Amino acid sequence: QKEVEQDPGPLSVPEGAIVSLNCTYSNSAFQYFMWYRQYSRKGPELLMYTYSSGNKEDGRFTAQVDKSSKYISLFIRDSQPSDSATYLCAMTGAGNNRKLIWGLGTSLAVNP
Amino acid sequence: GAVVSQHPSWVICKSGTSVKIECRSLDFQATTMFWYRQFPKQSLMLMATSNEGSKATYEQGVEKDKFLINHASLTLSTLTVTSAHPEDSSFYICSARRPGQGGFEELFFGEGSRLTVL
Repeated sequence: QKEVEQDPGPLSVPEGAIVSLNCTYSNSAFQYFMWYRQYSRKGPELLMYTYSSGNKEDGRFTAQVDKSSKYISLFIRDSQPSDSATYLCAMTGAGNNRKLIWGLGTSLAVNP
Repeated sequence: GAVVSQHPSWVICKSGTSVKIECRSLDFQATTMFWYRQFPKQSLMLMATSNEGSKATYEQGVEKDKFLINHASLTLSTLTVTSAHPEDSSFYICSARRPGQGGFEELFFGEGSRLTVL
């Protein structure tokens, strides 16, 4: 079993739709949960991060962490064609020399 | 925001030659940089952790003599693919870790370097 599982998709939605992206994990020591967006042939960029459980909102994006279920989500409201990208979840424990564990990434296409 | 510059963005080389990729942290001093490899439709695979002034730490299965990493300053790390072969063709991405407050240290990524070995 992989430490982090993420459905690679692809996911195709119409413009304006609500998008739900998810990851599950097995390591209960993970404390920081991140979502990165990667456009084609570019490096990833951090969208949001959450520490421990809870929700975090930033504009059209909401990140949720449910540590009891070892499940994290990223919601995109009013999706736009410019949101078309690959979304990667990543997580790590606390302390020094912690390693980032990545999901496979979910490819999202928002169609105008 | 912080910027990490990676160069070259695209390189084609002949089999047997060596290729150097540079990763520069433009806005902050990065004591730690990371080198990743990414195959099409795959996630990021950590190759090595580059620490300024010391030897890089390689992940299991990554040949340190083939992928030479040098982190000579707080703003520059280089990856040299030595005696490149077609199977080394891939997308290589570097990242720099910026020390943060409250325990979270954000990673900033370069634009990536696409290597094609003929």
